[in-house]
Amino acid sequence: AQSVTQLGSHVSVSEGALVLLRCNYSSSVPPYLFWYVQYPNQGLQLLLKYTTGATLVKGINGFEAEFKKSETSFHLTKPSAHMSDAAEYFCAVSPYYGNNRLAFGKGNQVVVIP
Amino acid sequence: EAGVTQFPSHSVIEKGQTVTLRCDPISGHDNLYWYRRVMGKEIKFLLHFVKESKQDESGMPNNRFLAERTGGTYSTLKVQPAELEDSGVYFCASSQDFVPGAYGYTFGSGTRLTVV
Repeated sequence: AQSVTQLGSHVSVSEGALVLLRCNYSSSVPPYLFWYVQYPNQGLQLLLKYTTGATLVKGINGFEAEFKKSETSFHLTKPSAHMSDAAEYFCAVSPYYGNNRLAFGKGNQVVVIP
Repeated sequence: EAGVTQFPSHSVIEKGQTVTLRCDPISGHDNLYWYRRVMGKEIKFLLHFVKESKQDESGMPNNRFLAERTGGTYSTLKVQPAELEDSGVYFCASSQDFVPGAYGYTFGSGTRLTVV
């Protein structure tokens, strides 16, 4: 079974500051890892994903995440927050084999302060 | 290409009534999934169709929920009778590949269901 932990339901960040959202997972098999973003009144949009290979993954809108197997983490970062980054962010895990359902974290609501 | 379409976007019904949610996946995507987010909780898996067949329905909460996928195209999720705890956002997603890690899922905008 897989599970995801995202701490801090609400995260405030100043415009121009670093965005760091933490994600830790547990999985009994090698995982696929995802970050999704939900902007107000929109659906879930894939930001980036890790499958295999390079552990530093770059996504859309300047976001990136690093897979650290030893720490079972997949933290999301963006060097400089923009007002348009205000949204809810979800980390998710899916097993490399077996069932292919996604297990989500509770999400982080990001507020960008001007 | 058109994305995953869900409707209605919002539905408010009284306890005991019936509601049907619809999802139109991306054309050609054999895999269709339903997920649900109850307020304050994680988004949770409900079920997975491969074409018209239910591949995995282990996440369905109880027998008041019935999902169908006619001819392997669009899918409906019926809640009958609705209870207060069914309130939440219901997401549909589709995937080209059986193992979504290769391509990922494409999600719809969700249906916000409120049972009063």
